[in-house]
Order: sequence, then structure tokens, then C-alpha cells
Amino acid sequence: KQEVTQIPAALSVPEGENLVLNCSFTDSAIYNLQWFRQDPGKGLTSLLLIQSSQREQTSGRLNASLDKSSGRSTLYIAASQPGDSATYLCAVRDPLYDSWGKLQFGAGTQVVVTP
Amino acid sequence: GAGVSQTPSNKVTEKGKYVELRCDPISGHTALYWYRQSLGQGPEFLIYFQGTGAADDSGLPNDRFFAVRPEGSVSTLKIQRTERGDSAVYLCASSFGQGRGYTFGSGTRLTVV
Repeated sequence: KQEVTQIPAALSVPEGENLVLNCSFTDSAIYNLQWFRQDPGKGLTSLLLIQSSQREQTSGRLNASLDKSSGRSTLYIAASQPGDSATYLCAVRDPLYDSWGKLQFGAGTQVVVTP
Repeated sequence: GAGVSQTPSNKVTEKGKYVELRCDPISGHTALYWYRQSLGQGPEFLIYFQGTGAADDSGLPNDRFFAVRPEGSVSTLKIQRTERGDSAVYLCASSFGQGRGYTFGSGTRLTVV
């Protein structure tokens, strides 16, 4: 069964620093990997989706890389701002276990950006 | 609607009671998913609907949990004889089909006391 792990569980950085969030998965045969943001009491907002054939995706200050062979993805957030404070979750869609588009999530990294 | 709507946003119920959680997906989205998120964990899959039928209910923890989507739009998650361990945030998501363009609702926080 696919296992998704996110390290660290929590991270606090001063404003302006770059954020590096890690996600690892045990089975490299994935369709895609998504990064989500979750604010307290809110649902999940999709940030970036990387297809299995891609190495990275970028959107504004966000860049996500994917290395399927090593089972890793990294989310980089440049020049962090207090508004980036949230929990960041990665999720994989795994064809071996999930035929219907269902996702397997990590537990998330809780980020606090201090002014 | 513009987004996925879930009601109620919060529900407190007594142990042993029956609860219904509602999800109103984005218009035109044929795929609908229910997930459950316990404190400090990522969401876990419960059930997937394609149209009116439950294509995959392998994530439902036991037979106290049931979900319907009678007209292929609104879905209701039903929990019988609630237990304290059922306390969690229940998230609904819809997509164009099989995981394309996921949109999550804000969730229903269920507390069983």
C-alpha cells in the first residue's frame, strides 16, 4: 500500500526566508502528485499538480519538483510572507491502488511565517 | 454553484445518535468524493461516486457509514449510532471525472460527545 510521508511536521520561519517542504512516497508508480494548502477550518486548495511525466511545476512564488525514481517531491515557496502560514499537504494518485482518482495524502506540514 | 458547499459546517451530536452530512458539488462535476480528516492527519478516502452510483466505497470504516447521491448531484453521508471515534472533519470534493480538477469543500466538523 502506498505510504505518503511529510517531513517536517511543523516549520517556523521569519518572513522573507524561502520555504522547503518535503514529501516522500513509497511506490513510484503514480499518475500524479498534488500539493494542497489548508487554512484552519477551511477545505483544501490545490496549489500545484505534477503529472508523472513532469519534473516540476511552477506558479508564481511556488515551485514543486518531482523525482519519481526516488519517491520524492519538494515544494519551494520563495520569499515567504505571513499569509503563507497554513498547513501544506501533498497527495498522490496511485494507479495500482486507486482506479477512480482518489488521492492518498500525507499528514501535512504546518507552516508559520513570522513577521 | 461556484464552489463545493458542505452543510452543516459544524455538528455536535451525542454518542449513539444518527447524523447526516450534506455535500453540494460544483454543477456539472460528475465525480464526487468523501474524505475524513482526523486531527493532525491528512484526509483519508471514504467513498467515490461517479454519477448516482458509488463506484468505490472501500474506505467506509464499517456498516454504520452510508452515503447516497440519488440524482447525481447532492450527496449525503449518513452515520448511524455515532461513536466518539467518528469525531473528525468530513470533506467532500468534486471533479470533472476521476480526479481531474479536484475542488474541495470547507468540510463539516463532527464532534461526538
